[in-house]
Amino acid sequence: GAGVSQTPSNKVTEKGKYVELRCDPISGHTALYWYRQSLGQGPEFLIYFQGTGAADDSGLPNDRFFAVRPEGSVSTLKIQRTERGDSAVYLCASSLKGPSGGETDTQYFGPGTRLTVL
Amino acid sequence: DAKTTQPPSMDCAEGRAANLPCNHSTISGNEYVYWYRQIHSQGPQYIIHGLKNNETNEMASLIITEDRKSSTLILPHATLRDTAVYYCIVRVAQGYSTLTFGKGTMLLVSP
Repeated sequence: GAGVSQTPSNKVTEKGKYVELRCDPISGHTALYWYRQSLGQGPEFLIYFQGTGAADDSGLPNDRFFAVRPEGSVSTLKIQRTERGDSAVYLCASSLKGPSGGETDTQYFGPGTRLTVL
Repeated sequence: DAKTTQPPSMDCAEGRAANLPCNHSTISGNEYVYWYRQIHSQGPQYIIHGLKNNETNEMASLIITEDRKSSTLILPHATLRDTAVYYCIVRVAQGYSTLTFGKGTMLLVSP
């Protein structure tokens, strides 16, 4: 079956520009997560959606970062006034029930979007 | 969530068993050990998880010490496609908890 997909796979932008990154989760998964991975580091949690609502946005680094999931499926991560330090791979994951769904609730990750801010 | 310590890198010959250690000395009684791996240019992939008993699935085996302060992920017959970064993560399974990734272990499987 189809896994988590992310578009675009690569995005190059200039400092100060606005970017949107898209995530299509596995069909039927209620939970969706965004992570950011800098070079040589493990993924870092940004935000988690349960359905349409952001259940935990404690990982968003500042108010330039925002994410939506209006219909409880596709999600968009939005970054305003991009900075060179925002350059990273942005990963999306989905799971059937969410973090409170018990030990077997597995997160499935997409291939990521590599964002480069010049 | 408890923190984990893993060696930064390991080597393994193709066809041999790869044994990846993880230290989690501050693990709590309600925390599970999860293993994910990340092949180059891909997202992380779930491998296995356990609480206190040893676990085995089609990908790997997980051995957790009796005091639960450390564990070992075993790939019984490593192949070149097992070359990846392996992450050991500790998290509570009941109630809300996200995945906290460390730097993991870079496993290089060579011919």
